[in-house]
Formats: sequence, C-alpha cells, structure tokens
Amino acid sequence: GEDVEQSLFLSVREGDSSVINCTYTDSSSTYLYWYKQEPGAGLQLLTYIFSNMDMKQDQRLTVLLNKKDKHLSLRIADTQTGDSAIYFCAESDHGSSNTGKLIFGQGTTLQVKP
Amino acid sequence: ETGVTQSPTHLIKTRGQQVTLRCSSQSGHNTVSWYQQALGQGPQFIFQYYREEENGRGNFPPRFSGLQFPNYSSELNVNALELDDSALYLCASSLPQGQETQYFGPGTRLLVL
Repeated sequence: GEDVEQSLFLSVREGDSSVINCTYTDSSSTYLYWYKQEPGAGLQLLTYIFSNMDMKQDQRLTVLLNKKDKHLSLRIADTQTGDSAIYFCAESDHGSSNTGKLIFGQGTTLQVKP
Repeated sequence: ETGVTQSPTHLIKTRGQQVTLRCSSQSGHNTVSWYQQALGQGPQFIFQYYREEENGRGNFPPRFSGLQFPNYSSELNVNALELDDSALYLCASSLPQGQETQYFGPGTRLLVL
C-alpha cells in the first residue's frame, strides 16, 4: 500500500545545514512535496519536485529525488531559528480515481539551537 | 498566506453531536480536499470535491460527508461525533490534474468531549 516514512526528529545548530529524509512507496507519484507546519498552524507549501527531476533548488532549499530508491530529501542551508517547525513529506497519489490526494509522512520535527 | 480560509478556528463539541466546518478556496481554485490531522500525526485524506461532486474518498466512515458550492467553497460535516474525531481539520484548494499543488488553510481544531 501507500506509505511515506520520515525520521521523527532532527536537531541542528543555527547556521548549519539541515537534511530531512523521506522514503515513499508509490512509484507512480507525479509530484512530491515538502510542507512546513509551525505550532498551531496549517501547512505551508515549501517546495515540490516533479517525478522526472533529480534535483530542484529554491534559495536556501534543495530537494533531491532518487526515484530508483524512492528517496526524497530536503536540505536547508544556513538553518535559522525561524526554521524550527515540523516538516512533512508528501506524495501525490492518483490511484484509480485520479484524485491527486496527498499521502503524508508522520513529520520530522526540526529543532534549531542558537 | 495562501488565500484559503477556514471557519471556525476552534470548536468544542460533545460525543454524539454533529459539526459543520467551512472552507473558502483560493481564488480560481475549483478543487477542495479535506484532511484530518490527529495530534502528532501527518494529515490523512478524507475526501476531495471537484465541480460540486465528491471526487475520491479516503478511509473514513459515511458519517463524514461534504458539500461543494458553485463558488467552490466547501463544507465538511461530521455526524455522531466520537472522541477520536478530535483533530485539526485542514482544507486545501487546488486546480485539477495538471496543476495539482494543494494550498492549505489554517485549519479548524475540533475537540470532542
């Protein structure tokens, strides 16, 4: 079945790079997403990558996709205390209904220490 | 800000009651999806509405139902509330297949006592 796995917790020092990893199971996913959630808030779209791409860079964010291993990563350069949040990886699943529903991982809590 | 709004922001109900949550989609987006996020978990897909019809449903019982209106806004209704329905309910709007990136609202936090 569909499943997205993430490590639960990552702690880094301010100014370091953070790398959040994710594995997924549905090889037919068209897009893969990274969302950020701050305490008590909704989900903020950070970036996404189309499944035929290997890498996408957007300012401090770099997404790497290894389709063979079904592995997705998000690298945040020069991590700041404001980056402290929960980060969710999600794959789009069209299945038989062509819905494009999102399948989310459990989220990785990023703690940035000053 | 995504332009997706939800109301109310918080709600407290008792077991057995019914609740209606509302969502206004981002301008130009005609597809609305609803997700349930239990504490400490990732969001789970409830259902999606496109052109006022249900367009896919997750593993949720029939007491979870919805509507979409001609202006693309949407409602989520939950009947016979159970304690496990306590969660953050998130609405997301998008364009249909081709530009399907989903933009989320701030959510409605429901507590069932």
